[in-house]
This record gives sequence, structure tokens and C-alpha cells, in this order.
Amino acid sequence: EVQLVESGGGLVHPGGSLRLSCAASGFSFTNYAMSWVRQAPGKGLEWVSSISDRGIITYYADFLKGRFTVSRDNSKNTLFLEMNSLRAEDTAVYYCAKVVPLEPRGAYFDNWGQGTLVTVSS
Amino acid sequence: EFVLTQSPGTLSLSPGERATLSCRASQSVNRNYLNWYQQKPGQAPRLLIYGTSSRATGIPDRFSGSGSGTDFTLTITRLEPDDFAVYFCQQFGSSQWTFGQGTKVEIK
Repeated sequence: EVQLVESGGGLVHPGGSLRLSCAASGFSFTNYAMSWVRQAPGKGLEWVSSISDRGIITYYADFLKGRFTVSRDNSKNTLFLEMNSLRAEDTAVYYCAKVVPLEPRGAYFDNWGQGTLVTVSS
Repeated sequence: EFVLTQSPGTLSLSPGERATLSCRASQSVNRNYLNWYQQKPGQAPRLLIYGTSSRATGIPDRFSGSGSGTDFTLTITRLEPDDFAVYFCQQFGSSQWTFGQGTKVEIK
């Protein structure tokens, strides 16, 4: 059974930093791209970042303007999101998701974690 | 900027009725990147439809997806109590994933 378990969320002051983790199990982590998606309270889904299976290629939402960095440790089956210069508007539940390729030239997110809440407030 | 617009924002229907949800893109979408998710309160999103029209594992056949170009549709025939939830479409283009704002299907 695929399991994705996020951790690292919490309360942080504006301008602060936080590192989220997503522990994966039940599938061959090294064979799949992964993504982070967030959801502000009462709002819709917002894609944050994606990383290729070997971590060589990364994508970021334009609105991040370089504040977040995605990475992965395939030896530990773990995905990370380093978040810096946090703002109140970054307050959200952050989900990690497994990305499955669909040939030709397609993909979808087939498994999601339960999310970790990040609250940015003074 | 790629935008997905879902309509209606809220759909009020009774169990047994048919639901038709629309997802319109600001630019043409690669069909293999158009996906639908269901989300219930307090839960993570769940994949329903991928590649425009393929049902994910375990999704009943009352759910179907269709469309091409800029117009896509999720149809739920004969709504069941478990189907009342929020539905999001998603696409990938220009190195960005985009979600629609969601359609809430509520019990009338």
C-alpha cells in the first residue's frame, strides 16, 4: 500500500523558515516524480513544486519567486520542501503527492498524503 | 498564465440526479494532462479521472470524463450520498501545474 506521510508543519513567524518532509513507502520512490500542493483554509488546491524521479529537474509555481526549494533523498525515500521568507499567505495545509507519467506526454497525481499544516503568524 | 475555470461554483442536486461539471482552460490543454480530483472535508484530494477520460483505480463507472481543447467535463450519473464533495480539475502546461477553483456538489 502506498503511504505518504508529511511532517514538519507548525507555527512560524513571518519571515521565518520551515522544512517539510514527506516519507514515502509502498512503492519504488526512486522511479517517480513527486509534487507539493497546498490548500489555504477554506480555499482550493494550489500547486507549489515538483521534482523529477532523480531530483535533477525541478519546477516551481511562479508566485513563489525563489522562496521555496524542493529536494529529495532517494536513499531515505523522503521528499522535502524548504520554505524561506514565509508570509501570512503561505498559511495552508501542504500535501505531497506521487506523480505518475501517462504516455505519451501526460501525468497525474495518484496518491496524496494527509497533509501538514503550516501557519504563518506573529 | 494558464487558467482553469470551473463552473458552476456550486451545484445543488438530489441523490439519483445527474451532475455535469465544467472545466474551461484559457489555452488548449494536452488531454493526457487533464485530471479530476474529489475532495471531502478534512480529507486529502483523491484522484478520480486522469488523462481526460480514464477512471482511477476503484472509481465507479458512474463517474466519467470527456473533452478536448479548452473544454472538459466531469459527469456523475445518478449521484450517491458519498459523491457530495468538491471537485477540482487540473492540467500541466508551460512547466506549471494548475488547478481549477473547484465545484462543490451539495445536497439539495
